[in-house]
Amino acid sequence: DTGVSQDPRHKITKRGQNVTFRCDPISEHNRLYWYRQTLGQGPEFLTYFQNEAQLEKSRLLSDRFSAERPKGSFSTLEIQRTEQGDSAMYLCASTSGDRVIDEQFFGPGTRLTVL
Amino acid sequence: GEDVEQSLFLSVREGDSSVINCTYTDSSSTYLYWYKQEPGAGLQLLTYIFSNMDMKQDQRLTVLLNKKDKHLSLRIADTQTGDSAIYFCADPSGGGYNKLIFGAGTRLAVHP
Repeated sequence: DTGVSQDPRHKITKRGQNVTFRCDPISEHNRLYWYRQTLGQGPEFLTYFQNEAQLEKSRLLSDRFSAERPKGSFSTLEIQRTEQGDSAMYLCASTSGDRVIDEQFFGPGTRLTVL
Repeated sequence: GEDVEQSLFLSVREGDSSVINCTYTDSSSTYLYWYKQEPGAGLQLLTYIFSNMDMKQDQRLTVLLNKKDKHLSLRIADTQTGDSAIYFCADPSGGGYNKLIFGAGTRLAVHP
């Protein structure tokens, strides 16, 4: 068990470009979450997958954002036509959902800077 | 909607106790969490408390829950420099998906 991994760790892009982030959850964790954290704030929920099904999306997830988890394992988060306001840390978390305390294990995050 | 509030900054002397406070609005959560975030590291679950408990002690950590006032606190005894981090109170909002609602975080600075 190597924990939740995210790639890349840092991404600098110009406004208007598309970016894609990847999250590899802990193996056999069927639940996967994406959060966004801006400077000085706590993480905010973006979206949730149970296996390959995307079951909830936050209103923060505009049409420019899309997330997938095609085989119920890794997940990708794509941002199209990036804006400066998209600059943030994007966090992925996973959990098995079969324990009383449903601990979410977080990855190290991908820090996005939009110039 | 659900909301979680925390004070933003706390400075303590090494060896003293630290108390980090949190208030929440959602009352249906089965439990509440404290997460810790260190520079360059991911969020880690520090401790939790079930909503039917008033207090939980775990080594140097004591969690107090006042359900009437919707107030949660984390006390760290004998605070060390290694405790310097950002501490987040988190409320799983329920609905079957347990998405976490985080406070803004309290930055704990421990000085000699």
